[in-house]
Amino acid sequence: EAQVTQNPRYLITVTGKKLTVTCSQNMNHEYMSWYRQDPGLGLRQIYYSMNVEVTDKGDVPEGYKVSRKEKRNFPLILESPSPNQTSLYFCASSLWPVIEQFFGPGTRLTVL
Amino acid sequence: AQTVTQSQPEMSVQEAETVTLSCTYDTSENNYYLFWYKQPPSRQMILVIRQEAYKQQNATENRFSVNFQKAAKSFSLKISDSQLGDTAMYFCAFMKHSSGTYKYIFGTGTRLKVLA
Repeated sequence: EAQVTQNPRYLITVTGKKLTVTCSQNMNHEYMSWYRQDPGLGLRQIYYSMNVEVTDKGDVPEGYKVSRKEKRNFPLILESPSPNQTSLYFCASSLWPVIEQFFGPGTRLTVL
Repeated sequence: AQTVTQSQPEMSVQEAETVTLSCTYDTSENNYYLFWYKQPPSRQMILVIRQEAYKQQNATENRFSVNFQKAAKSFSLKISDSQLGDTAMYFCAFMKHSSGTYKYIFGTGTRLKVLA
């Protein structure tokens, strides 16, 4: 089944404890992206990647890191999480950025 | 900087009626793409419809159609014969395609409730 998977789906952590949210797609897509969704703010793009080793900042990259060492994986790293990073996070992928993005199920992150 | 504005935070419509969700955007680019995504209560994001800026013809997808007014920078979504399953949050999105940049800008969303 073609899909985008994210893990974990839910995470409660404390300020400053490094964490990684994994994202994997099995569709051989070139473009991958991370978004955060907050009430009243919609979705905001954090980082995106055009291909292996090619990443670029979205609108809200501060406090986040990404890597694209393999085409299928695009992990989101929070080196020192803070409470303002409490949010719903989505990973998405598409064959090419100008066409339909397929979204993962979301990761609900709470930073205490 | 590009912005996307959805001025209707919430809307409701009777089943089988027609509803239009508005979206305006601001850009100086000439080459871009516009999208409507749907997020039902399950949280899963699903593409509803897509429009290339260089195409004058409005995109349609079954009961969903857009009114794309490039000069006015407007991209509204019309849902005909509304169904209970259309109840969802709807997001308008803009993607510019220039100078090696492929950033997405989403609006804040419109929560649509279809009433039985």
